Amino acid sequence: EAGVTQSPTHLIKTRGQQATLRCSPISGHTSVYWYQQALGLGLQFLLWYDEGEERNRGNFPPRFSGRQFPNYSSELNVNALELEDSALYLCASSPAVAAAEAFFGQGTRLTVV
Amino acid sequence: AQSVAQPEDQVNVAEGNPLTVKCTYSVSGNPYLFWYVQYPNRGLQFLLKYITGDNLVKGSYGFEAEFNKSQTSFHLKKPSALVSDSALYFCAVRDRGKSWGKLQFGAGTQVVVTP
Repeated sequence: EAGVTQSPTHLIKTRGQQATLRCSPISGHTSVYWYQQALGLGLQFLLWYDEGEERNRGNFPPRFSGRQFPNYSSELNVNALELEDSALYLCASSPAVAAAEAFFGQGTRLTVV
Repeated sequence: AQSVAQPEDQVNVAEGNPLTVKCTYSVSGNPYLFWYVQYPNRGLQFLLKYITGDNLVKGSYGFEAEFNKSQTSFHLKKPSALVSDSALYFCAVRDRGKSWGKLQFGAGTQVVVTP
């Protein structure tokens, strides 16, 4: 069974540009989560999507946004990139059950120069 | 609001010795608790979870964790550490309310197992 897949693996952008990160969940999982892992800051919750709707959002500015498609895959968009946005962005998926563990992808390493 | 604390930035242990990684949590009501492990430049791998019932939970790769409600702790343990257990370990908590999708992580504990 395929795991959570994220693309691209690496992304280099210039300050002020936009970045789009993609995530395909495990088959049958309807919930998708996005996390930012910046150096020294741990894992910060970004967004939770379920059944195409945004269910919860972390303490990030509006330039971080996303969506979930009918096939449950998801996109994270970061507008007006800042140097501080450089981080590993992790996507996870799970069934829509609170007791279910989330399974993580390998991440997208975003570097803003 | 829910929160997780991992009081040790790093734990050093000799191969073959017991390994303990500490985690305490704060959440209203009964939590769901998880442990994950991360190897360099990789995503997180699920180790084990506490949902309800037996306070001792067994997981992958010989790891186990003990849920202690009175101390609001969920420490990860392994009786005999291996060099290959060297990695970054994260404790996470999730409440059972409307915002259940927000899995809150601790800061992580780096485990170094020396031969």
